[in-house]
Amino acid sequence: NAGVTQTPKFRVLKTGQSMTLLCAQDMNHEYMYWYRQDPGMGLRLIHYSVGEGTTAKGEVPDGYNVSRLKKQNFLLGLESAAPSQTSVYFCASRAGPAKNIQYFGAGTRLSVL
Amino acid sequence: GQNIDQPTEMTATEGAIVQINCTYQTSGFNGLFWYQQHAGEAPTFLSYNVLDGLEEKGRFSSFLSRSKGYSYLLLKELQMKDSASYLCAAYQTGANNLFFGTGTRLTVIP
Repeated sequence: NAGVTQTPKFRVLKTGQSMTLLCAQDMNHEYMYWYRQDPGMGLRLIHYSVGEGTTAKGEVPDGYNVSRLKKQNFLLGLESAAPSQTSVYFCASRAGPAKNIQYFGAGTRLSVL
Repeated sequence: GQNIDQPTEMTATEGAIVQINCTYQTSGFNGLFWYQQHAGEAPTFLSYNVLDGLEEKGRFSSFLSRSKGYSYLLLKELQMKDSASYLCAAYQTGANNLFFGTGTRLTVIP
């Protein structure tokens, strides 16, 4: 049972570089989420999706873009990375509106130099 | 707005009982979650309370009082492997999302 899979696990970027983080889930979940986790700040929502082809902004969306072209995949893009985006990024999925439990991937550790 | 408070750190002895408290102020509140997160790993679901009262699941129990905006996670018969961060999160109807506290880092000592 793969569950929620994130790639890559680690990445180092230089300021101004771009990259895409991939999240894939094999549970046929409708909802998917991208969070960032920083020391002393807890998990903060970046963007989320309630279904294929839909996305919405969360608490801290600036500097990020997302796409949900396929139900099983949710991509997080950084167009021009900044040191403030150094963080651990977690993807999560949830079955649907009647099922509130979110299941998390293992995370991506991103450093922007 | 959302506000979730929980202690930053706690220490307890192996075999003992520990209670981790969480207070919240969330508009449209519709449930309180607890997650466990070991260092360097993903958060994993522990419990979910929607109604007032105690939910027991093995060594772990979670309590909710909606009128007081208060929850706690009770861990019994502590084991070394219970050393982890415990995240309190409130579900907000209409927001389709959880709002997380900063987490409580629990250290279990021999």
